[in-house]
Amino acid sequence: DTGVSQDPRHKITKRGQNVTFRCDPISEHNRLYWYRQTLGQGPEFLTYFQNEAQLEKSRLLSDRFSAERPKGSFSTLEIQRTEQGDSAMYLCASRGPGFQETQYFGPGTRLLVL
Amino acid sequence: LAKTTQPISMDSYEGQEVNITCSHNNIATNDYITWYQQFPSQGPRFIIQGYKTKVTNEVASLFIPADRKSSTLSLPRVSLSDTAVYYCLVGRSYGQNFVFGPGTRLSVLP
Repeated sequence: DTGVSQDPRHKITKRGQNVTFRCDPISEHNRLYWYRQTLGQGPEFLTYFQNEAQLEKSRLLSDRFSAERPKGSFSTLEIQRTEQGDSAMYLCASRGPGFQETQYFGPGTRLLVL
Repeated sequence: LAKTTQPISMDSYEGQEVNITCSHNNIATNDYITWYQQFPSQGPRFIIQGYKTKVTNEVASLFIPADRKSSTLSLPRVSLSDTAVYYCLVGRSYGQNFVFGPGTRLSVLP
């Protein structure tokens, strides 16, 4: 257990529905990342927060995806009008403020869009 | 962001030492080298990080030559539970995201 938690761990939804995932980082970590991972591939970066500010977004993050981190604590990732191609593992990672800090990953949320 | 190249898969037997080499020819001066381990249906787990020469912790060693264009993760005396995917990442420690490649799938056989 890295101290990063994600909820839910699994989600099954029908195409066209909206889903929201939550990530609770390690408490003193000011940086938070979202990744998506499909079978057999490494995680792909989606977006990055420093405190409450969203500083970077991947081109993979279509308009249907939105992420927030109110008050610089937990973060949510919402996918609107889900598509079957959104089926993947969604990973959250947090990182402390120091220069040589590494990223600590949560267990992920596995999404299946039917 | 520096691109990394590592073998897609490796096989080993229990008790052997495993060395996984990663190439990162375009590594920048401020980049660190980080290795993660990932088991199925779990998030990646940090193994080791280094900048140059040799770093050792309770799990592994990381060897980085002077030109820093490659690095080698060394796992001593592997066990079946070391079967996993291992990712080599290069990036600025104070920077933003990591770029993950497909990793090296290590299979440890009895």
